[in-house]
Amino acid sequence: GAGVSQSPSNKVTEKGKDVELRCDPISGHTALYWYRQRLGQGLEFLIYFQGNSAPDKSGLPSDRFSAERTGESVSTLTIQRTQQEDSAVYLCAPGRENTDTQYFGPGTRLTVL
Amino acid sequence: AQSVTQLDSQVPVFEEAPVELRCNYSSSVSVYLFWYVQYPNQGLQLLLKYLSGSTLVESINGFEAEFNKSQTSFHLRKPSVHISDTAEYFCAVSDHYNTDKLIFGTGTRLQVFP
Repeated sequence: GAGVSQSPSNKVTEKGKDVELRCDPISGHTALYWYRQRLGQGLEFLIYFQGNSAPDKSGLPSDRFSAERTGESVSTLTIQRTQQEDSAVYLCAPGRENTDTQYFGPGTRLTVL
Repeated sequence: AQSVTQLDSQVPVFEEAPVELRCNYSSSVSVYLFWYVQYPNQGLQLLLKYLSGSTLVESINGFEAEFNKSQTSFHLRKPSVHISDTAEYFCAVSDHYNTDKLIFGTGTRLQVFP
């Protein structure tokens, strides 16, 4: 994606474990979005950051999911006590203020066994 | 609430034939509309977008989409497809008066055969 990296690219974990996914945009992106794409489905919005605050968390599926962001930089998405239904590709998309287009990172493929 | 419907989950077509991938949306407010493409084993890429102005928008690789407000549609078309167009295509809408988060359709897999 344009100016964003995500790590790890692949993560395999056992059910019940916690995982942390990282999104690292280049500087200048005030907005940042997280989405997930489960197999055979479209992308689902998870959370939106404006700077380091999250005015829209409406897409987080449960309280096992949380996210943080440091200023206009790195964001981490944490999933606690992972379940098999959490298996998906997790994508982040940074954006500048008042931008009209989101460009997606390469994603993290999470597999929960 | 906004939603996007892509009625066709799969569209098989022969090379050099025309194709239309359908997208309908529902929204009570003005929206921006997007088509994203995901080639096999690659990330999601922006194909084209409608923000305002001309209702017909084009991509650099020959795709076009027309915003039809009365029919709440944003169908994607190409007059002659190539094998390399084989991919998953996602239509999305954003509420640009709010957070600009994207609401995606479930995707249409375009399979181009020789």
